[in-house]
Parts: sequence; C-alpha cells; structure tokens
Amino acid sequence: SQELEQSPQSLIVQEGKNLTINCTSSKTLYGLYWYKQKYGEGLIFLMMLQKGGEEKSHEKITAKLDEKKQQSSLHITASQPSHAGIYLCGADDGAGSYQLTFGKGTKLSVIP
Amino acid sequence: NAGVTQTPKFQVLKTGQSMTLQCAQDMNHNSMYWYRQDPGMGLRLIYYSASEGTTDKGEVPNGYNVSRLNKREFSLRLESAAPSQTSVYFCASSERRLNNQPQHFGDGTRLSIL
Repeated sequence: SQELEQSPQSLIVQEGKNLTINCTSSKTLYGLYWYKQKYGEGLIFLMMLQKGGEEKSHEKITAKLDEKKQQSSLHITASQPSHAGIYLCGADDGAGSYQLTFGKGTKLSVIP
Repeated sequence: NAGVTQTPKFQVLKTGQSMTLQCAQDMNHNSMYWYRQDPGMGLRLIYYSASEGTTDKGEVPNGYNVSRLNKREFSLRLESAAPSQTSVYFCASSERRLNNQPQHFGDGTRLSIL
C-alpha cells in the first residue's frame, strides 16, 4: 500500500516569511492533492497535481510534483496569519481507484 | 453553496449504543466517502460508494455499516459503539472516481464514546 510522509510535522514562521512543506510517497505519484484544514473544520481542497512534473499556483501558494523523486512540495510566499492551519497531502494509486491515501499533515503557525 | 453537510457536529455516546451519522451533498456527485481522523494516524477511509446503489470497504471498515440512500445521501452507522471508535468522522464526495477528480469534504462529526 502507498504511504505518504510529510515534512516537517510542524512549522512556526514569522509573518512575511516563505516556507515549504514536502510530501514524499513510497510509490509512484499519479494524482497528488493538497488540502488545508483549520482546527475544528473540514478539509479545504487547494490544488491537484497530475503525473508529469506539474506545477500550479493559487494566490501565494505554489505546488509542484517531482515524479522522479516521488515527491510534491507546497511553497507559500510571504506567509500571512490566514495561512495557518494543517496542510495535508493525499494521493491516489492511479489505477482508477476511489481511495485516497493521506499524509499525517503539517501544522503551520504564522506569528504576526 | 452548502457542498457536503454532515450531522450531527458533535455527539457523545456510551459504549454499546448505536448511532447513525448523516451526510448529504448538493453537488450532484456520483461518489461518496467516509473517513475517520485520529491523532497520529491521519485520515483513513472507512467505506466508500462509487455510485448510487454500490458500497465498498475501505481501510478500516470493522464496526461500521453504510447506506447509500440516494445520490445525495450516504450514512454511516455504528451498531454497537466502542471507545476505539472515538474519532472525528468526515464525509466527502467527488464527481466520479479518482483520476484527477478532487474529493470535497464536510466539516466533520466529533464523536466521543464513553
């Protein structure tokens, strides 16, 4: 079965700083999904990356998929308190599956 | 835009009691899912329904049953609750099976079993 490891587990940054969260898979990545979760709330879909070295950006968040390294990174530029939360990566096995495997999450705190 | 709605938001049960968690989506999605989220374990799939009329087991189905009532609704039932089922339960839906179709999540049900 596929396993996803996220690093770091937690991160505290000063407002305005850049940061990167990584998600490394034990198997080839096909679909890679990034979600954000605030405490007490559900998961908010951020971005989806397909196999093939894709890169996507939304506002100040950029996600990349490195298929050779079986890794995805999420980069936040000029962090703001509104970026605080838990970031989760999820992956499917590419076989038309219905199952997403999730990493355990990275907790981000942004200090004003 | 309601998206995925879960009820109740909080619930406390005694060991052995039964309960049904409700989930409804208004996005006309074909597929629906139930996950549980536990500290240190992440999100784990309990059951899913690929389409109306079908259900399948996920990673941790023991102790649970599901019903896909119609295209909109997918319920999760605990027949005899156990303390190990204390968790946050999330329902999700997607347009169809994965292959670049994201799942959209509800706000969760926080369930405590005493």
